[in-house]
Amino acid sequence: QVQLRESGPGLVKPSETLSLTCTVSGDSMGSFYWTWIRQPPGKGLEYIGHVFFSGSTNYNPSLKSRVTISIDTSNNQFSLKMTSVTTADTAMYFCARDALFCSGDDCYRGFDYWGRGALVTVSS
Amino acid sequence: EIVMTQSPATLSVSPGQRATLSCRASQAVNNNLAWYQQKPGQAPRLLIYGASTRATGVPARFSGSGSGTEFTLSISSLQSEDFAVYYCQYYNNRPPERTFGQGTKVEIK
Repeated sequence: QVQLRESGPGLVKPSETLSLTCTVSGDSMGSFYWTWIRQPPGKGLEYIGHVFFSGSTNYNPSLKSRVTISIDTSNNQFSLKMTSVTTADTAMYFCARDALFCSGDDCYRGFDYWGRGALVTVSS
Repeated sequence: EIVMTQSPATLSVSPGQRATLSCRASQAVNNNLAWYQQKPGQAPRLLIYGASTRATGVPARFSGSGSGTEFTLSISSLQSEDFAVYYCQYYNNRPPERTFGQGTKVEIK
């Protein structure tokens, strides 16, 4: 059974850097996009970005200038760094696996495994 | 950038009744559309991918339909455990893009 678990500080000061790690167990990291998604309190889901097992990345354009996602396949982990945080970055941060589902020639993607989430509060 | 719009924001339904949730894309997205269920205090759960294929373990009362810009998630007979928030999500591969709708809350009437 694949499991994902977020870890990192729950409190970050404004203007500082948010750092989170997601540890994956139960499967290898190959051939998946490993993704960070966040959810401000009482609001909807926002895609932050993802990293492929090869190390290639993609980011939400609205966050791209502040976000770095990296992967460490030897330790089955991937990480998120977000710089210059403000109170607007207070949210539950989820890591998730972006998988490909194929039936014949038809293939589609979906986030099939998620961590429980890590609440990060930005406050002085 | 493609925008996903869900309606209604809140849907009040009696247990045992049918619920129909809508998701509209600002441009055609083929069938690159997934649906998720999120209960309070939990991570989202994948229900549907490819607009209409149920994920592993998802009950048959959940069904997805649509293509292009208009998509629907139907729950044929609402059970107590189905009261939750539902999100649609679009993806593209080239260039990579992942976008969620704002969610529809299904509440007990």
